[in-house]
Order: sequence, then C-alpha cells, then structure tokens
Amino acid sequence: QLLESGGGLVQPGGSLRLSCVASGFSFSNYPMTWVRLAPGKGLEWVSAISVSHVPDFAESVKGRFTISRDNSEKTLYLQMNSLRADDTAVYYCARIKQAIGWYFDVWGRGSQVTVSS
Amino acid sequence: DIVMTQTPLSLSVTPGQPASISCRSSQSLLYRDGKTYLSWYLQKPGQSPQVLIYEVSNRFSGVPDRFSGSGSGTDFTLKISRVEAEDVGIYYCMHSLQVPSTFGPGTKVEIK
Repeated sequence: QLLESGGGLVQPGGSLRLSCVASGFSFSNYPMTWVRLAPGKGLEWVSAISVSHVPDFAESVKGRFTISRDNSEKTLYLQMNSLRADDTAVYYCARIKQAIGWYFDVWGRGSQVTVSS
Repeated sequence: DIVMTQTPLSLSVTPGQPASISCRSSQSLLYRDGKTYLSWYLQKPGQSPQVLIYEVSNRFSGVPDRFSGSGSGTDFTLKISRVEAEDVGIYYCMHSLQVPSTFGPGTKVEIK
C-alpha cells in the first residue's frame, strides 16, 4: 500500500528525492511521515506532513530536507539536500493513524540511501 | 527532546516462555486529553516495522493477544505471554507526545 522509490548512491553534499506512492486508502485524509534506519542504529523519525501540508522535521535534517505531498497523485516526497554520510539509511514512509498522539500503522518496504564518495 | 530508553537491549527466550521489555521516557507521556502516547513496534528480520501497541495498551488490529502493553507516566512494559519463533526481531517503543517523536534504542529478541 506504500511504495518508496528514488533511493541510491550519492556523494556527500548531493541531493536525492524520495517518493512514496500510496494505494488502497484515502491518501489525502492521513498525515504521513518518513522514518529511517541507519546501519547499526535504531529507528529515527525524520519528518512528517499533516493533511493541511504543515511539515515537521527532526533537528538532524532541518534546513536540509523538505517534505511535501501531492494528494492528486497520492504521493509523498522527501527532498534531501546537502546529504551527509550519516544520512545513509533505509528510508521508510509510513501512514500516521491519528493526528494527535500519532502512531504509524502502514509502512512501505523502504528505500536505501547511501551517501559516500 | 524526550529520551526513550529500553531494557534489556537483547533477550534470548525459549519458545513458549514469557518475555518482557521495559521502556522509560525522560518525561511523562500523559497528554492533556488524558491519553498517554506510547506505542510499540516490531521490526522482523528483512521486513519493515509494524505497529503492535498504541496508546500504551491498545493492541493494533491483527496483533496476536499474546502481546500486551502496560504502564503509565514514564514507565512502560511490553509483554509476550508465550514467545513464538515468529516473534524474533527488534522491538522499539516510541513516544508521540510532541514533535519530535523519538524511538527507544530497540530490544533484540532471539529464540534459544
């Protein structure tokens, strides 16, 4: 129901845009989020966007990443700029079940992002 | 930011035996609406994370009833009444009281 794409190998300082296409539910009615899993580390919340397109970011990516959504295309995006080695991770998009006290009930399979020279 | 800690960080369990994971937050997760926003996730090997429990003790749809959550304030517990082979993976607690949500470091559960 969620399918990410756009990952790959990029040099430090470079950019990538991840996409996440939703199916099987009313995409426009749900806030959405990105969570990443870096090698040898635990899950880290990265960013979220509300149904009214209000974004939130983790401090570690603020000013470098942008989140957006296209409800007509049922697609969530994560624009990642000024990438660093510590951004290397599998990036998951997920559906936020409720706006207050959110939890993530539907997850994509993930997209690998590797930042290396 | 709220810091989440988990104990133990790894657990080896005999099938059919119970297991328990503790999660602690650096501040109370009780929101002004009276609800406490703590959820549990399991990431099985090679799979995406899946939600098990939300709001401390609500089992998500389809989650076996051998999983249960409890706690309040800053101290929470996930219990598996009888561990099965399919329960292996890394368990995470996560708060959603405020932005940013943060996860615990994870507890790796393996079968003896």
